[in-house]
Amino acid sequence: LAKTTQPISMDSYEGQEVNITCSHNNIATNDYITWYQQFPSQGPRFIIQGYKTKVTNEVASLFIPADRKSSTLSLPRVSLSDTAVYYCLVGDAFNDYKLSFGAGTTVTVRA
Amino acid sequence: ETGVTQSPTHLIKTRGQQVTLRCSSQSGHNTVSWYQQALGQGPQFIFQYYREEENGRGNFPPRFSGLQFPNYSSELNVNALELDDSALYLCASSLNPAGETQYFGPGTRLLVL
Repeated sequence: LAKTTQPISMDSYEGQEVNITCSHNNIATNDYITWYQQFPSQGPRFIIQGYKTKVTNEVASLFIPADRKSSTLSLPRVSLSDTAVYYCLVGDAFNDYKLSFGAGTTVTVRA
Repeated sequence: ETGVTQSPTHLIKTRGQQVTLRCSSQSGHNTVSWYQQALGQGPQFIFQYYREEENGRGNFPPRFSGLQFPNYSSELNVNALELDDSALYLCASSLNPAGETQYFGPGTRLLVL
């Protein structure tokens, strides 16, 4: 399983864009990149998944450069309710179901 | 569509006791995975059940065991509880073992004294 490195914490203000970068230098050919969000005392919630280039959904965008050694989760115009821990997971989506999460990035959005 | 539910929400046990945690998977999901989340850390994979059989296990001792029932609900059993077992235990269900988004329940907070 590819090891991932994320910042421990990030601060932002309402209405700003938040970009969280995850490093995964030893990503394998079959690995996908998946991001989850977790609020206190709740289970993680799937945000977005991608393999290369850019993926966008109603919640976020995921940017993956050509070498795939890093990825950036972009949260547009955050609100106070986006304060949470964000986890980056890298693994073979069809075989690495035994994925464990890293420490994640705590994003704090202030008014 | 009913989401993933877990019971109980909170539990207090003493060292050496045994505990059983329960999880009801989301409707239509045949795969359940269990995770342990210590305070300030990310969830760590314990094991996965697919169609009533264990389908993979993380780095947890044998005193962590599980079951999956014909309706795909699941139990996590922990014997000989240790203080370090204090954590949030999360259950996640998915349509299939791999390649599918996991949907997590709210968790059971276990405190071992």
